[in-house]
Amino acid sequence: ENVLTQSPATLSLSPGERATLSCRASQNISTYLAWYQQRPGQAPRLLIYDASNRATGVPARFSGSGSGTDFTLTISSLEAEDFALYYCQQRSTWPPAWTFGHGTKVEIK
Amino acid sequence: QVQLVESGGGLVKPGGSLRLSCAASGFTFSDYYMTWIRQAPGKGLEWLAYISTSGNTIYYADSVKGRFAISRDNGKSSLYLQMNSLRAEDTAVYYCTRNFRLAFDIWGQGTMVTVSS
Repeated sequence: ENVLTQSPATLSLSPGERATLSCRASQNISTYLAWYQQRPGQAPRLLIYDASNRATGVPARFSGSGSGTDFTLTISSLEAEDFALYYCQQRSTWPPAWTFGHGTKVEIK
Repeated sequence: QVQLVESGGGLVKPGGSLRLSCAASGFTFSDYYMTWIRQAPGKGLEWLAYISTSGNTIYYADSVKGRFAISRDNGKSSLYLQMNSLRAEDTAVYYCTRNFRLAFDIWGQGTMVTVSS
């Protein structure tokens, strides 16, 4: 089973600061990684797919990078609505399964 | 607009059954693979079940295999999750999602399922 480990668990930053979130896979997953944002009481929202492609409507301050086992989600300048929970996700080819990391909470410092 | 709306959640006793529905609109439902995902209170996201466009290919997470059944009706643009032998640990918000490449690009608002005596 391919496990995704996100770090840190919590990131305390101020608006305008840069956020760097990490997701590490236990096995090589090429660029088959996605990132989601979840605000309290809301469903998750796709931000990034295939490691570095922004989903429709996602602001340019969000960017994804990485391949293999190490991936990063960067928010270049935090805005008030960016303080939320972020999950990474990958798909295993066999047996077919989709797994999520445990999440990183970005909170206001 | 593109939308998924779940229904059918509620309170059920351990060992009971429940059927969730998801109504899709704003896109050609039959063109997309679909998936159910859940989130227990205060916990992370857990993939449950996947169904291909025709319904011929289905995958389940080990945690629900043999108890849950995913199905779809393309004529009604609807996705379903039949949940049997429910346990307390199945308590969660259940999301209907649309597959996009290896991710999920559209999510419903979720429906809460509570398993308790």
